[in-house]
Amino acid sequence: DIVMTQSPDSLAVSLGERATINCKSSQSILYSSDNKKYLAWYQQKPGQPPKLLIYWASIRESGVPDRFSGSGSATDFTLTISSLQAEDVAVYYCQQYYRTPFSFGQGTKLEIK
Amino acid sequence: QVHLVQSGAEVKKPGASVKVSCKAPGYIFTTYHIHWVRQAPGQGLEWVGLIKPSGDTETDAQNFQGRVTITRDTSTSTVYMEMSSLRLEDTAVYYCARDPGYGGNLDYWGQGTLVTVSS
Repeated sequence: DIVMTQSPDSLAVSLGERATINCKSSQSILYSSDNKKYLAWYQQKPGQPPKLLIYWASIRESGVPDRFSGSGSATDFTLTISSLQAEDVAVYYCQQYYRTPFSFGQGTKLEIK
Repeated sequence: QVHLVQSGAEVKKPGASVKVSCKAPGYIFTTYHIHWVRQAPGQGLEWVGLIKPSGDTETDAQNFQGRVTITRDTSTSTVYMEMSSLRLEDTAVYYCARDPGYGGNLDYWGQGTLVTVSS
């Protein structure tokens, strides 16, 4: 099974500053036949289901603010919030959908400093 | 907008079974994969399984030791996730979610169903 590991577990950033969350997969999740990275990012606020932010590692879901961006290689990925807003306080998860059983990172809790 | 509406909270005893439902517009089940994901209190997300438009299913058999069965009723546009031989550690919110066809990312989620396993 593919293990997803996020860092850090928690993060405090000042309003307007950049927030960076990392995610590492235990094996490559780059599919050679289509050159796509099977990695998604979600945001979850208390009492709500997760919300899809990014898929294919770097494609922003419709309606997601452009301050959210994703990047990465075959095994190492980053979610960046360019200018933190108060409404971005949440837990963020990465997910690989390269192979079942699909798996999530343990989550990164983002707070305001 | 796609609305996935799940059944209400359940309380079960260890060893019992639970069946959680997820209702959506009819075309959803004939077009898209529907996944189940669970979240124990204060914990992260855990993938449970999926059902394809064909009706074929995949589950995390190793993690759940074959205790999970995913089915659907196309006449009522409902997908079901049944878990047997419940344990205390199965206490969680169970979500259904739609896979938009990109391979497994999940764009629309149900509201979640809390399953509490308690003696």
